Formats: sequence, structure tokens, C-alpha cells
Amino acid sequence: DQQVKQNSPSLSVQEGRISILNCDYTNSMFDYFLWYKKYPAEGPTFLISISSIKDKNEDGRFTVFLNKSAKHLSLHIVPSQPGDSAVYFCAALDSGTYKYIFGTGTRLKVLA
Amino acid sequence: DSGVTQTPKHLITATGQRVTLRCSPRSGDLSVYWYQQSLDQGLQFLIQYYNGEERAKGNILERFSAQQFPDLHSELNLSSLELGDSALYFCASSVVTGTNTEAFFGQGTRLTVV
Repeated sequence: DQQVKQNSPSLSVQEGRISILNCDYTNSMFDYFLWYKKYPAEGPTFLISISSIKDKNEDGRFTVFLNKSAKHLSLHIVPSQPGDSAVYFCAALDSGTYKYIFGTGTRLKVLA
Repeated sequence: DSGVTQTPKHLITATGQRVTLRCSPRSGDLSVYWYQQSLDQGLQFLIQYYNGEERAKGNILERFSAQQFPDLHSELNLSSLELGDSALYFCASSVVTGTNTEAFFGQGTRLTVV
């Protein structure tokens, strides 16, 4: 059973516009969420995180929003740049089992 | 550079063989995680160690085993290899376990079973 879901396998956005990547989770016990970026032939790189006590966290061009009642989080990238083209993974930390549970990823393509 | 080192980067081996993947965590990190990524799929959690002890287990096959040594490096042993074991294997480390902190990933080992 997929506890963290990224239902959009891919997304294309024009350079300079906003990219919105979405993630849903099923376990209400998750209390910490992370986004990772992955380039081909490299390991995932930590991007930004949010605790369940917050609904928004911002770091430069990246903002993560958390809607606990809907069990939904999203990553906004503004403005999008060609270098942002990568696979983005959403993850949740299950502090009960100490596991980071990942979604299947969304491939973002930013068009110049 | 995440500070997590995985060796080797690439491994090609035959079915039925056994291989060992090695991971050195970031300095000071006590937790080590192993993940498998097959064919551009998601990251499947295999196993986690904290300060030398197994802490959590995912869908890890019985043919696979891992350990974390006193110097905190970890090894993932894959035996009786099958074609379907071909995948990217990632190691990650974090400072502590169960708290709000991020894990840092190595570059991965690409295993090809022929």
C-alpha cells in the first residue's frame, strides 16, 4: 500500500512560470515531510522540509505547503528555471518506525 | 557533495552471485538507511540501522542482509542474485532517528545482474 503518493509522473512548465508539484499521504501519524530533487545518475538531494505543526515553509524560490486535513502537500517553485528540471520526490518521516517513506516521484521539465 | 560515500558506483555480476555494497555515512551521523530504486520507480525502503543496531525493516528480501559496523559504516549484502535485483541502491544517513531531520543520500550503486 502506497502511503505517500505522487499522482503526476511528469510536469512541463515554461521558464519563469510557477511549478507546482503535489503529494498526498494516507497516514495521519506522519509529522515531518520532505522534498528531494534527483538528477540522473545522482543521489537524491534534500530540498526543503516542513513539520506538521506548520502549514508553510519557504526557502528562496521553493515553498512547501501542508494541508493536514486533506493530507496533502505541495511544492511551489517560483520562478522555474531550466536547472530545476529533475525528478522530485516527496517523503514522509514515520517517527514511529523511523522510516522515510518516499513517493514515486514527479519528473519536472522546465522549458527555456 | 552530501558527505555520504557509496562504493562501488557500478557493479555488474551474474545471476546466482553475491555482492557487497558499502556505505560510509556523514561524519557524526548515527543512522544509516538503505533504499532500492528499480527502473525509475520510487525509492523503496529496505532497512535502517542506528548506532550499530537494526532499527527498522522494509520489504527487504531474505536473500539480502545488512549490518552497521562500530565505525558506523554499513554494508548491504545481496546474495543468490536474480535479474530482477538490477537496480540503483542508495544509502542515506541522518544525525538521529525519529526526529524532524533530513536524511542525506549517497550517489548510489548501480547493480546490473546479467
